[in-house]
Formats: sequence, C-alpha cells, structure tokens
Amino acid sequence: EPEVTQTPSHQVTQMGQEVILRCVPISNHLYFYWYRQILGQKVEFLVSFYNNEISEKSEIFDDQFSVERPDGSNFTLKIRSTKLEDSAMYFCASSEALAINEQFFGPGTRLTVL
Amino acid sequence: KNEVEQSPQNLTAQEGEFITINCSYSVGISALHWLQQHPGGGIVSLFMLSSGKKKHGRLIATINIQEKHSSLHITASHPRDSAVYICAGGWRGAQKLVFGQGTRLTINP
Repeated sequence: EPEVTQTPSHQVTQMGQEVILRCVPISNHLYFYWYRQILGQKVEFLVSFYNNEISEKSEIFDDQFSVERPDGSNFTLKIRSTKLEDSAMYFCASSEALAINEQFFGPGTRLTVL
Repeated sequence: KNEVEQSPQNLTAQEGEFITINCSYSVGISALHWLQQHPGGGIVSLFMLSSGKKKHGRLIATINIQEKHSSLHITASHPRDSAVYICAGGWRGAQKLVFGQGTRLTINP
C-alpha cells in the first residue's frame, strides 16, 4: 500500500542552525502539507503546496520557513534559523485533492532544538 | 473561525467496553476526519465522512450535519485500541485540516 515517508525520524540541532526535513508523498497525489505538533498540544497546520507553489500558509509559517519540491518526488521543509520553540513533531501529508478529501500522513520527524 | 472541539480529553475503560468519543465543529464543514495517533507519534487516518455513518471492523464513525457533531465508537474495546484519537475538519475552499485537541484513550485488560 502506498505511504508517505519522512526522514529523519528524529533530528537534534542547536539553536540558530538550519534544518531540512524531508518527505516523499504518495506518487499520484497533487497536494502536499506540513503540520506540526508541539508536545502536549494540538496538531497545527503550517503550509500547503500545489502545482509547485504555496497555496495556503498559516501565521506560524513565517520567513524562517520555506518549502520546496526539488525533484518531483521529495517535498522538503526548511527552517533557516531554528529556535527553541520550533521543537515539535513535524508531519508531512499528501492528498489527491483538497482537504475535503482524505489526507495521508507520514510518520513524523521529531525535531529537538537545544 | 473554523474550530473543532473534542470530548472527553481523557478516557479510561475496561477491555470489552463500548467507547464513544465526541467531536463538535463550526458551521460549514465539508468533511470530518477521524485519525489515530500512536504512542510513538505517527498519525493514521481512520475515517473521512461528510454524511451518515461509516464502519470499519470494530470502529464506527457517525456525523450529524444539522447538529454539527460527529462521534467515533469502538465496540468490544481492546488494550491495543489505546491511543490518542483526533477529529479534524476540512472546510470547502480551505486547503488545511483544523484539528481537535485529541482524546487519550486507555483500555485496561
């Protein structure tokens, strides 16, 4: 069964460093998403991506964040200069169509900023 | 503002009990998703529904559009059902899912 994969499963970094989180969405899906979950809190939407551009983003997704689909299979989230409060579980998701259709989630990357 | 609220936040039951988790949402939803989050953190989609009822094994999800309410039921609960169950809403014209805070379910043997 097709699935969304994410690497790494756990990333530890120093404050101020850049990190790139990687995702491989399901191959025939057209919409890609990043969500995050700070420990003990709700899952929050960060950004959606369609047709090689950002289609919607939340107020969390500021200039420190960027997304890219560099090669037609990977979908990446970059945090330019990490802060302590960026420590969270980051989930990638993909769907055939908009959120009214089913989204498939990856296993998540746990980011720890020291 | 699109919102999703779940209850209860925590639920502990004995093996075999019938479980109900509730979700209410703001007007205009197009689809309601039920998700399961494992202790390790991974999220699995259980159901997506916009009307009526869906069943998969021991899990049943219902939605009442007029009352803006959905329920997830587990029949003959088992310790392996212990997880966090999350409802999330999708609204027409929006790209994102809006998540509830989750219900932590613990089934004791």
